[in-house]
Parts: sequence; structure tokens; C-alpha cells
Amino acid sequence: QSVLTQPPSVSGAPGQRVTISCTGSSSNIGAGYDVHWYQQLPGTAPKLLISNDNNRPSGVPDRFSGSKSGPSASLAITGLQAEDEADYYCQCYDNSLGGSEVFGGGTKLTVL
Amino acid sequence: QVHLQESGPGLVKPSETLSLTCTVSGGSIRSYFWSWIRQPPGKGLEWIGFIYHSGTTNYNPSLKSRITISIDTSKSQFSLKLSSVSAADTAVYYCASRDTVVGRFDPWGQGTLVTVSS
Repeated sequence: QSVLTQPPSVSGAPGQRVTISCTGSSSNIGAGYDVHWYQQLPGTAPKLLISNDNNRPSGVPDRFSGSKSGPSASLAITGLQAEDEADYYCQCYDNSLGGSEVFGGGTKLTVL
Repeated sequence: QVHLQESGPGLVKPSETLSLTCTVSGGSIRSYFWSWIRQPPGKGLEWIGFIYHSGTTNYNPSLKSRITISIDTSKSQFSLKLSSVSAADTAVYYCASRDTVVGRFDPWGQGTLVTVSS
């Protein structure tokens, strides 16, 4: 069971908007620590998608955006494209048990 | 641009020690926290731990008793040792750099599959 909770799967048709939630607690997201999002295409290593809650690294399309409120964060993808089909993970620092990095369980995005 | 490459045996026997090395190129090993992350087949990501060039480490509490992460700055390499492995340790092991200020992991190595089996 992951410290950060994500829905196992989401889906949407091309062109639509989808959101992926990431729910934590007062020892991680709720404590104000930055949330980062990763995209993992099939058979590849995860790639940084969103940094510091809502910052896109160079090369990431502006169709991807992040937000945070209280103990939860969200990743939004607009104008869904077939190549967005992948697994998405959130990550944050957790200050319990001496401090560690924690990931969400991952969300599989299916483009219908 | 920093590039990371994992290396090590792809098969380890139960109860033995898993050993992997990550080679850093294209940047200084004196920057970043150098990290290990694993992913069991079909499952999610699990942070294992990281090390700074000074030797300072931070380990996942659930794995702490079995982990040793070390660094060789002269070779621009850092290593993972995981002792007393079982089938539950079968996973793709990634090395990654973690920003010292912002806790993001970027970039990642391509990953290496380690199978624990007799």
C-alpha cells in the first residue's frame, strides 16, 4: 500500500481532458512539500513530467499541468493524444520515520 | 546533460547479496543526491535510498537493515548492495539523480532487471 494514493486507472478519448489525483497526508503533501509527477511509457524508465507542483521541464508540452491543494495534488492532461497512454506517478518527501521519498501507486492512462 | 547507466548481475540467488553499480557521465558526481529506485514487475515505484558525494546517506526505513549505498567519486560511480534477498526483491532497479534542493528525480538510468531465483 502506497503512502500516496492514486486511482489505478483513468481513461479518455483523444482531445479530452483527464485528471489524475494524488492524495497524501499531513506528513507529506499536506506538510507543503513539493509534488513531482513522472510519465512512464511502456518498457521505459520514468521521465520527469512536472516538478515542484506545477513546473514543466523543458520539452514537456503545456498540455500537462499540475496543481496542489491541502494534502492532495493533481495532474491534468488536456487535448489528450494517443502517445499520452502511459503510467503516471506522483512523488513527494515524507517527514515521518526519519524522512524518506515516497511515490504514489501509479495510474494507468488509457486513450480510448 | 547527466547520463546514468546501471550495471550488475541480472540473476541473484535467494539469501545472497544483490550488487549494482551506476556510472555517472556528462556531469559532476559532486552535485545531486545519487539515488536508487526499484520497480517490481507490473508494480509501482519504490525509493530505496540515496547518497551524497560526502558519503551522507538516507535509506528507505523499510529496507534500511539490508541496504548499503556507497560512492566512488574517482570513478564517478555509486553502488547499491541489498543483502538477504528473496523473490520479493525481483525488480527493475533504476539509478537516478535527485536535486539537492528540489526533491525531484531527473534524469533516470534505463534500469536493469534483477531476478532473484535459485
